[in-house]
Amino acid sequence: ETGVTQSPTHLIKTRGQQVTLRCSSQSGHNTVSWYQQALGQGPQFIFQYYREEENGRGNFPPRFSGLQFPNYSSELNVNALELDDSALYLCASRSGTMNTEAFFGQGTRLTVV
Amino acid sequence: AQKITQTQPGMFVQEKEAVTLDCTYDTSDPSYGLFWYKQPSSGEMIFLIYQGSYDQQNATEGRYSLNFQKARKSANLVISASQLGDSAMYFCAMRPQTGANNLFFGTGTRLTVIP
Repeated sequence: ETGVTQSPTHLIKTRGQQVTLRCSSQSGHNTVSWYQQALGQGPQFIFQYYREEENGRGNFPPRFSGLQFPNYSSELNVNALELDDSALYLCASRSGTMNTEAFFGQGTRLTVV
Repeated sequence: AQKITQTQPGMFVQEKEAVTLDCTYDTSDPSYGLFWYKQPSSGEMIFLIYQGSYDQQNATEGRYSLNFQKARKSANLVISASQLGDSAMYFCAMRPQTGANNLFFGTGTRLTVIP
């Protein structure tokens, strides 16, 4: 158990819909990152939040957006869902220093039909 | 640009034997961290071991050790005394000093431990 929890664990949505995924970070961790893992691939960085501010973003379009709350929990929102958005979405939390490992949640498996 | 390469899509190892999973990386950052994660079929990424780019000693964590060769830009994971529970996907990742300090992952290696 990493102390990072994600909800829901599975989700099925229709193309064009919007979805919100949630992540509760480990106690004391002020940095939360979101990753997309397509089937058979390694995780790809979506964006990262540090103390409620986005401080890094990968190569994802603006319809992928997020929030971090004062308790450091986080949301990932995806608008106008596309079939290619079907993937495992992983949330990771860590403290701010570079040489600390990131602790991952169990992921949310999103299927877009 | 940051890049992680794992050239072994799948590996097999006999129970109780040792296995090496390969990882090479490319970065222009002078300072970076290297990580290995295990991903069972449940999906959660489990942290195994960390190596800093300026660390002189190879990292070890129980049955896991990291064979770090900085000049070759390689960071191979060695698992000793393999167990059936080691069967999973294994991902090598790098966190550069610059940017958002996010992780860059390889494509993974599926390890199967044979009884």
